Amino acid sequence: QKEVEQDPGPLSVPEGAIVSLNCTYSNSAFQYFMWYRQYSRKGPELLMYTYSSGNKEDGRFTAQVDKSSKYISLFIRDSQPSDSATYLCAMTPRGYQKVTFGTGTKLQVIP
Amino acid sequence: DAGITQSPRYKITETGRQVTLMCHQTWSHSYMFWYRQDLGHGLRLIYYSAAADITDKGEVSDGYVVSRSKTENFPLTLESATRSQTSVYFCASSFSYEQYFGPGTRLTVT
Repeated sequence: QKEVEQDPGPLSVPEGAIVSLNCTYSNSAFQYFMWYRQYSRKGPELLMYTYSSGNKEDGRFTAQVDKSSKYISLFIRDSQPSDSATYLCAMTPRGYQKVTFGTGTKLQVIP
Repeated sequence: DAGITQSPRYKITETGRQVTLMCHQTWSHSYMFWYRQDLGHGLRLIYYSAAADITDKGEVSDGYVVSRSKTENFPLTLESATRSQTSVYFCASSFSYEQYFGPGTRLTVT
């Protein structure tokens, strides 16, 4: 079993929809959680990061961490065609620089 | 420009040849990483470095060598390239937990 599980998709939604992307993990030591966006043939780009539990909002994006369920989510409101990309979750224990990545969920927002 | 760059962006080489992929960052980040990305496997760590002259293996380090004589540079060498090393290689750097990635090098071994 992988430490971090992420549904590969693809996930297709109409423009304007609310998108929910999720990851589950097994290592209870994970404290620092990140979301990356990767466009085709580009490097991953850091979207958001959160420490421990709770929510964090940045524009149309909200990151949510539920440590009791070992479950993290990224919500995208009013999705746009430009949001079409692969989204990778990533996490690491506190004080540990090596990050464990999910395999990514491919999202397509249809105009 | 500030950031992290990789060269070359594309490389085709033959089995058995030595290949070096370059990575350069201008942020003076302490940590640097090399990953390979393959379909179905996601990002897999090859090597990482906590500072100049400090390196350590990741989960898929066999057949790869790194060095870090300067904080800003972290070259990755494939000592004798094999077809299984055909992949997209990403370099990343960080000062804390968040990692910042370069644009990648697409390597094909024929």
